[in-house]
Amino acid sequence: AQTVTQSQPEMSVQEAETVTLSCTYDTSENNYYLFWYKQPPSRQMILVIRQEAYKQQNATENRFSVNFQKAAKSFSLKISDSQLGDTAMYFCAFMIAQGGSEKLVFGKGTKLTVNP
Amino acid sequence: EADIYQTPRYLVIGTGKKITLECSQTMGHDKMYWYQQDPGMELHLIHYSYGVNSTEKGDLSSESTVSRIRTEHFPLTLESARPSHTSQYLCASSGLRHRDNEKLFFGSGTQLSVL
Repeated sequence: AQTVTQSQPEMSVQEAETVTLSCTYDTSENNYYLFWYKQPPSRQMILVIRQEAYKQQNATENRFSVNFQKAAKSFSLKISDSQLGDTAMYFCAFMIAQGGSEKLVFGKGTKLTVNP
Repeated sequence: EADIYQTPRYLVIGTGKKITLECSQTMGHDKMYWYQQDPGMELHLIHYSYGVNSTEKGDLSSESTVSRIRTEHFPLTLESARPSHTSQYLCASSGLRHRDNEKLFFGSGTQLSVL
């Protein structure tokens, strides 16, 4: 069974600074996807960034980037130039890439607060 | 914003009532999902569907049932609600387009409270 662990229940950062959220996972699969989803207070959960396990290059999306360490099964999210709108729950998630199955396994989440 | 809608946004009901949580998407996605999320906890998959007339139980056991008669509609029903069903229920979908195949679009959720 796949598991996803987020060891930081809560974090805070000052506006314009950089913060890194940790995520580790456990799987025996070789072909999979990793995601970071953002859930703002009382708003829809949205995808922040996605990484295919077969790609060595770390994914980036504007101010968001990941540090994907496949051997260590680590997938951290770095948010640069933090903004007040980044305040949200952040969930790390894992998906096996097989036959059209898109079932996600989520971590418990990290509550990020960006302070002015 | 994703074109996936859940109603009601909040629901408070008494024990024993039958309820249906609605979920609709206008993106033509073939795959739809229901997740259950308790406060401060991870999401757990309770039901999923890969197309019309296809439904499967998820990883977390649930007394709820689902149906998929139309592509765009994936309602969840509780025949007799209990306080243990109090939780947030999130609906999601994913699509045919290559870039959408691994990406889930989520609704705003239904916060259910059973008294």
